[in-house]
Amino acid sequence: GAVVSQHPSWVICKSGTSVKIECRSLDFQATTMFWYRQFPKQSLMLMATSNEGSKATYEQGVEKDKFLINHASLTLSTLTVTSAHPEDSSFYICSATGEAGGSNQPQHFGDGTRLSIL
Amino acid sequence: RKEVEQDPGPFNVPEGATVAFNCTYSNSASQSFFWYRQDCRKEPKLLMSVYSSGNEDGRFTAQLNRASQYISLLIRDSKLSDSATYLCVVPTGGGNKLTFGTGTQLKVEL
Repeated sequence: GAVVSQHPSWVICKSGTSVKIECRSLDFQATTMFWYRQFPKQSLMLMATSNEGSKATYEQGVEKDKFLINHASLTLSTLTVTSAHPEDSSFYICSATGEAGGSNQPQHFGDGTRLSIL
Repeated sequence: RKEVEQDPGPFNVPEGATVAFNCTYSNSASQSFFWYRQDCRKEPKLLMSVYSSGNEDGRFTAQLNRASQYISLLIRDSKLSDSATYLCVVPTGGGNKLTFGTGTQLKVEL
């Protein structure tokens, strides 16, 4: 099946640090990538939708200046958490689909990045 | 009604048992549905897609009831390795955005 790779899998850093997370589709071209966040015992919450070559669409309540998303190629999207604080500690997961606008297309998830801000 | 609603469980069942989870959704226009499995501290993995009345894959059967707006997942002959959280997922927003339920936790015991 389709493979999505996410890196790093675990980050621990000090408050105020900016952290970049990469999401790569390894065996298909991902026209759309999604970034989710999951707090303990809660569901995945969509943060933003990223289409290759265009600006990301952020969900309500997600600060676009804090969570910078770049989708410069069909196989790579990055999420940068700028000036991270302890409340940003969470499990960040990306997913990708190969067909834009296809609601019947399941998403393939990366391994997730566990971010801990001290 | 929430967009996607699931009983959080946990469901504790003995090995070999049959267990079923229900999921209700609010958007009557939704055409496709997914069940994902998520192990503790791991990413969700696609278990089944449901596009019509249902789908069957080995021990797993998904059924869709459009009139009542619910999807069910049936697991037969449960195995210890089935222990996980099962996420009901519904496309929303008219595009390919997904809305996740909070998940139903299953624990299969000896």
